[in-house]
Amino acid sequence: DAGVIQSPRHEVTEMGQEVTLRCKPISGHDYLFWYRQTMMRGLELLIYFNNNVPIDDSGMPEDRFSAKMPNASFSTLKIQPSEPRDSAVYFCASSLEGAYYGYTFGSGTRLTVV
Amino acid sequence: AQSVAQPEDQVNVAEGNPLTVKCTYSVSGNPYLFWYVQYPNRGLQFLLKYITGDNLVKGSYGFEAEFNKSQTSFHLKKPSALVSDSALYFCAVRPSGGSYIPTFGRGTSLIVHP
Repeated sequence: DAGVIQSPRHEVTEMGQEVTLRCKPISGHDYLFWYRQTMMRGLELLIYFNNNVPIDDSGMPEDRFSAKMPNASFSTLKIQPSEPRDSAVYFCASSLEGAYYGYTFGSGTRLTVV
Repeated sequence: AQSVAQPEDQVNVAEGNPLTVKCTYSVSGNPYLFWYVQYPNRGLQFLLKYITGDNLVKGSYGFEAEFNKSQTSFHLKKPSALVSDSALYFCAVRPSGGSYIPTFGRGTSLIVHP
């Protein structure tokens, strides 16, 4: 398996634009997590899905953020409109139920909003 | 609520010396504990985990960690540090039952000097 795949690796956008981040989890994993990493706040859980269903989105900072998982092999995190304070590295991770083997992270998307 | 504390933002050690990166946790019930490593511009990589059994857990790249229930600690150790071990290290915890959501520490930057 190629691991968790995220795209794009880097995104630079202007304030006010819509940004869409993409994630392909490991096949067979039934949990998917979106994290945001910044120097100030460390690693923050934004939302997680179980069997494609959003379970907890309490970490999503504002209504400008939304996430979907239309099928077991694809998820998106959308920011509309984007703001400079959204600049961060966004990680997607997946795991099997129970996470006995841990969580597998993608390489992340570095988002810069100017 | 579960939490993880990594009391040191940075640990400095000379190559060839033993290293310890500290982690303490708080969780309801029995913990599942994890260590991850993050190299620059990369995602988090799984190092090792404690689920149950022997308190000394061995993982990737010669790392090991000791689970101490009475002190609620899970310190990461390596007998002889390498310059290539320099990276950011994250400890994570989740309860053995209930939520599968891990809580990550803020991370500790390990710098190994030649």
